[in-house]
Amino acid sequence: QKEVEQNSGPLSVPEGAIASLNCTYSDRGSQSFFWYRQYSGKSPELIMSIYSNGDKEDGRFTAQLNKASQYVSLLIRDSQPSDSATYLCAVVGGSQGNLIFGKGTKLSVKP
Amino acid sequence: DTEVTQTPKHLVMGMTNKKSLKCEQHMGHRAMYWYKQKAKKPPELMFVYSYEKLSINESVPSRFSPECPNSSLLNLHLHALQPEDSALYLCASSRGTGAYEQYFGPGTRLTVT
Repeated sequence: QKEVEQNSGPLSVPEGAIASLNCTYSDRGSQSFFWYRQYSGKSPELIMSIYSNGDKEDGRFTAQLNKASQYVSLLIRDSQPSDSATYLCAVVGGSQGNLIFGKGTKLSVKP
Repeated sequence: DTEVTQTPKHLVMGMTNKKSLKCEQHMGHRAMYWYKQKAKKPPELMFVYSYEKLSINESVPSRFSPECPNSSLLNLHLHALQPEDSALYLCASSRGTGAYEQYFGPGTRLTVT
């Protein structure tokens, strides 16, 4: 059973701080990793994809992947109250390319 | 443009009704997906269509019937649903199955009474 684990939170950070979200996965053969942001009552929005070991930066977001440790993380710099949402880690885990989601981490950014 | 559209936004139906959910994308994607999401849970995969052929059916009850009329459209036909089927139904699309990014539509909030 392929699994993706996330700390459910809530993770609370002050405005302007760095928020660090973490995810581990069980399938060592996984190659593709995604972070989605989901506001309450809305659908998931893709914010980052990462396929290679190392860091990938996009604006205030940095995704980090370590395949040896089966670990992927998302850093949000200069956190804003508008970043308050649930962040879903997803891994391509099936032979047909379906996403396996973690349970999500709820982030709260306090003004 | 990464837009996936879904109609209706909200749907209330009785257990004896028949209704359909619709999804459309114009990104030239060849894979389309239906997910079900209950409150405070991650999305759960229901069906995958790849090149208009059903490639994954995650043991979903037969009261849910998917249809892919063409590469841009995806329907989910609903019949004789149960109250526990109330959820947010999400459509997604991607260039193909596998490593490609999946983009979600806004979802249909379904309530079964």
